[in-house]
Amino acid sequence: DTGVSQDPRHKITKRGQNVTFRCDPISEHNRLYWYRQTLGQGPEFLTYFQNEAQLEKSRLLSDRFSAERPKGSFSTLEIQRTEQGDSAMYLCASSRDRATEAFFGQGTRLTVV
Amino acid sequence: AQSVTQLGSHVSVSEGALVLLRCNYSSSVPPYLFWYVQYPNQGLQLLLKYTTGATLVKGINGFEAEFKKSETSFHLTKPSAHMSDAAEYFCAVSSSGGSYIPTFGRGTSLIVHP
Repeated sequence: DTGVSQDPRHKITKRGQNVTFRCDPISEHNRLYWYRQTLGQGPEFLTYFQNEAQLEKSRLLSDRFSAERPKGSFSTLEIQRTEQGDSAMYLCASSRDRATEAFFGQGTRLTVV
Repeated sequence: AQSVTQLGSHVSVSEGALVLLRCNYSSSVPPYLFWYVQYPNQGLQLLLKYTTGATLVKGINGFEAEFKKSETSFHLTKPSAHMSDAAEYFCAVSSSGGSYIPTFGRGTSLIVHP
C-alpha cells in the first residue's frame, strides 16, 4: 500500500492552455474522488468514480472539466482553456467502499498566469 | 443533504493547554463522521472516524472526538497541545443522503503558542 499518488505536484500554466492531472489510487480501492481546495477553504467536491463509472459530478465542474478513470484504475482530470479562477489545489482521494474513510494524495497545485 | 459547520476559523492555545475544535453536522440519516489534519502544501491525513458503535472515538496523536446525536456535534479534543499540532483541521460527514461522498467543513486553523 503506497498511498494515493498525484502527478504533477505543481503546475504553472498560461491562461487558455489545457492541463491534465493524474491520480493513482490505493490499489483495490473502488471509489475515487476529485476535490478542489482554495486558500482558507475546505475541499470542495468535484466528481467521483465507482470503479470506472463516473457516478456524480458537482455543479462546480464546468464543461471545461473532464475526468476519466479507465478500467477503474488511475484517473485523470483535464481542464481545458484554463482561467485564472481555476488556480487551486486539486486533491484526489480513494476509499475501499462507501463505508470507509477516504485517503488523500498530496495534491496538485495549479497556478494559472 | 448533508453539511458541516466548523465554528471558529482560528483557534489559538498555549502549549500544554486543552485543544477543542468544534464541528456540527447536518444529516437526515445516520452519518459517518471524520476529522482530518492538513499541513501546509500537503494532502489531508485522517485523525479519526466515527461510523457506528462507541460514540467516543480515539485517533492518532492523542486526539479524540465524541459523537453526540442529540447535539449533532462531533467536537475534536486533545488534553495537551503540542507545537507540532499546529495545522489546519477539517471535519467531514458522509451519509446515504449524500451518496456517501465526504462533505467537508471550511476548516479550523490551530495555532499553538509556546
